Amino acid sequence: AQSVTQLGSHVSVSEGALVLLRCNYSSSVPPYLFWYVQYPNQGLQLLLKYTTGATLVKGINGFEAEFKKSETSFHLTKPSAHMSDAAEYFCAVSDWGGTASKLTFGTGTRLQVTL
Amino acid sequence: DADVTQTPRNRITKTGKRIMLECSQTKGHDRMYWYRQDPGLGLRLIYYSFDVKDINKGEISDGYSVSRQAQAKFSLSLESAIPNQTALYFCATSDLRDPYNEQFFGPGTRLTVL
Repeated sequence: AQSVTQLGSHVSVSEGALVLLRCNYSSSVPPYLFWYVQYPNQGLQLLLKYTTGATLVKGINGFEAEFKKSETSFHLTKPSAHMSDAAEYFCAVSDWGGTASKLTFGTGTRLQVTL
Repeated sequence: DADVTQTPRNRITKTGKRIMLECSQTKGHDRMYWYRQDPGLGLRLIYYSFDVKDINKGEISDGYSVSRQAQAKFSLSLESAIPNQTALYFCATSDLRDPYNEQFFGPGTRLTVL
């Protein structure tokens, strides 16, 4: 069974500072990993995903994440936070196996960006 | 031109009432999912369906039922609503041909059970 742990339910950074949101996973098969973002009063939208190949994945709005198998991590980073980045972020792992496929989500990290 | 739509967007109901949440999609995807979101708990899977004849329970299906009326429509029902079903509900879809299962979400339905 898969699981995802997001360390820190709330993270606060200053505008222009580095954003680091942590995600660790557990999976019995090679994982497919996702970061989704949820802006206030909206559904989730995909930020980026890791499937195979390059372990550093670039997404929308300047975010990127690095898959580290040895650390079972997939942390999300952005060099310089913007006020518009304030949202809730979810890490997820896919249990792909044939046609049976589900996503398991972490509990989310709410990012606050201050002036 | 939303690809995944949910109705209603907000609903307040009373304990014991039957309520249906509807999801429609124009993405042509076969896989559809219902999740609920609670603060501090993330998203938890209620039911999922891979085609019109396929319905599967998720991790928290008790108290809920679903109907897949067509490829594009997947409804969630609460037969007798209770206050701890107050939550934000999301519908999602994905393409059966996608081996990674990237999911696309609707805008959500905020349900309050008094």
